[in-house]
Amino acid sequence: DAGVTQSPTHLIKTRGQQVTLRCSPKSGHDTVSWYQQALGQGPQFIFQYYEEEERQRGNFPDRFSGHQFPNYSSELNVNALLLGDSALYLCASLTGGETQYFGPGTRLLVL
Amino acid sequence: QKEVEQNSGPLSVPEGAIASLNCTYSDRGSQSFFWYRQYSGKSPELIMSIYSNGDKEDGRFTAQLNKASQYVSLLIRDSQPSDSATYLCAPGGGGADGLTFGKGTHLIIQP
Repeated sequence: DAGVTQSPTHLIKTRGQQVTLRCSPKSGHDTVSWYQQALGQGPQFIFQYYEEEERQRGNFPDRFSGHQFPNYSSELNVNALLLGDSALYLCASLTGGETQYFGPGTRLLVL
Repeated sequence: QKEVEQNSGPLSVPEGAIASLNCTYSDRGSQSFFWYRQYSGKSPELIMSIYSNGDKEDGRFTAQLNKASQYVSLLIRDSQPSDSATYLCAPGGGGADGLTFGKGTHLIIQP
């Protein structure tokens, strides 16, 4: 049973650039949530995708956008990168209830 | 604004003792509660979920919930050095809302 996968594992970008992160949910899961975790903080909810639509969004600017594909995989896009966007980006998948299973994360460093 | 409070620690516990981790939350509408364990540099791993007032036991772990007091705790019996990690508390907002995490409690089990 494949768990949640994310790519890439690490990424270095410079300010002003754009980045795309990818996530494949756990087998049988149809919903994907994205979180940002800064160093020393708990994960913060960015948004959730279900049936290829953004279902709910946390307190993040429009520079953060996403997409879900028919196979339930998802992308997170961040435009005009800021130094403060440096963080661990986590994808979690779920189906039905609220129990969310996290992928290994993508560590983004913005220079 | 939903808030989750955890003592950031570090909480130091001798090997073999009981570790007690506490969490308070602000949203009275929360119906589900999750404890995640996060090793340094890794992603959160689900340990326990609890939905009803009272205790729920799973191996060495016991989650305790008191909705009237807006309080949830995690007890780890017979603590092992491998339990050393950050423990994140997350009340569920209900499906699409995503999870609201505390900053986590850093637990150190001393051999």
